Amino acid sequence: GAVVSQHPSRVICKSGTSVKIECRSLDFQATTMFWYRQFPKQSLMLMATSNEGSKATYEQGVEKDKFLINHASLTLSTLTVTSAHPEDSSFYICSARDFPGTLNYGYTFGSGTRLTVV
Amino acid sequence: AQSVTQLDSHVSVSEGTPVLLRCNYSSSYSPSLFWYVQHPNKGLQLLLKYTSAATLVKGINGFEAEFKKSETSFHLTKPSAHMSDAAEYFCVVSDTGRRALTFGSGTRLQVQP
Repeated sequence: GAVVSQHPSRVICKSGTSVKIECRSLDFQATTMFWYRQFPKQSLMLMATSNEGSKATYEQGVEKDKFLINHASLTLSTLTVTSAHPEDSSFYICSARDFPGTLNYGYTFGSGTRLTVV
Repeated sequence: AQSVTQLDSHVSVSEGTPVLLRCNYSSSYSPSLFWYVQHPNKGLQLLLKYTSAATLVKGINGFEAEFKKSETSFHLTKPSAHMSDAAEYFCVVSDTGRRALTFGSGTRLQVQP
């Protein structure tokens, strides 16, 4: 089935530094990718939607200058947390969506990235 | 607008007994509904999905869910719980008007030996 590879699975960084998280669709082309954030013991909250070759659409309350999203190809989307602070510590998960009508059409999730800012 | 309400934040069952995780949804369009499972510090695994075909949907690991439009419900069931079923379960909705998924608050399933 469809596979989305997300890296790194865990990262610890110092306050003020930037961290890049990658999300790759391995066996299908993802026209749309979604980035979610999950705080401990809470549900997933959509941060932004990215479409290949265009700017991401951010949800209300999400700082686009802090959470930079790039979707340069049909198989790769990246989320960069810039000038990270401890309150950015969270579990980040990407999700990719395939073309309508294809066998894999649906939503496939990456395995998540645990970000800890110290 | 779409939303999902998971009626129980925690459910505890004994191994071998039935599981029922309740979910109600609200959607302006014909919805697609999903159940995902998440084990600690892991990503999400799709259990099953409803996309306007048969109202009784069978998923992996013995789980199934029934779409009831009149009740706007999509409850998840399993006849006999296994210890490995202990995890967080999310009911999720997507409609044709909004491509992103909307997650319920989650239900933590505990399975007692």
